Amino acid sequence: GAVVSQHPSWVICKSGTSVKIECRSLDFQATTMFWYRQFPKQSLMLMATSNEGSKATYEQGVEKDKFLINHASLTLSTLTVTSAHPEDSSFYICSAFNTGELFFGEGSRLTVL
Amino acid sequence: QQQVKQSPQSLIVQKGGISIINCAYENTAFDYFPWYQQFPGKGPALLIAIRPDVSEKKEGRFTISFNKSAKQFSLHIMDSQPGDSATYFCAATLNEKLTFGTGTRLTIIP
Repeated sequence: GAVVSQHPSWVICKSGTSVKIECRSLDFQATTMFWYRQFPKQSLMLMATSNEGSKATYEQGVEKDKFLINHASLTLSTLTVTSAHPEDSSFYICSAFNTGELFFGEGSRLTVL
Repeated sequence: QQQVKQSPQSLIVQKGGISIINCAYENTAFDYFPWYQQFPGKGPALLIAIRPDVSEKKEGRFTISFNKSAKQFSLHIMDSQPGDSATYFCAATLNEKLTFGTGTRLTIIP
């Protein structure tokens, strides 16, 4: 199946710093990628839709200035958590459609101290 | 708000038994219904999926049953194995945007 790769798989940062997470489609091109957030033992919540060459579309309640999304190419989308705080600690997962199926990355666990 | 309700929240099944997880949706415009399997610390992996014009789909030990009139669909895992122990999410898609169920933590005991 299609491969979606995320990096880093885990990151620990100090409060107030910014963290960038990359999402790559390795064997296909994706004009659209999706970013999800998952708290422990909970379901995935869609944060935003990343669109290649244009602005991301954010879900209601998601701060666009806090979670910056850049979809610079057909194989790369980045999520930057700006001025991170402990409440931003979570599991962030990206996904992309290929041939009608949605594939997920392995996820990036962010811990903000 | 589009919702997908999933039950049970947790499920314990003996090895070799049948695991059944149910989901119900509200929006009849949903056009794709996948099931995902997630192990701790990993991203969800597509298990099996169905479109609303099909009532059943089987892939190995996994079967989706789909009831369009009742707006319900379910995942059946036959001959459940300890390696199937994971969290399972149903989902429904509209315009490539997925709405997830709340998840079911499945534990297969020897």
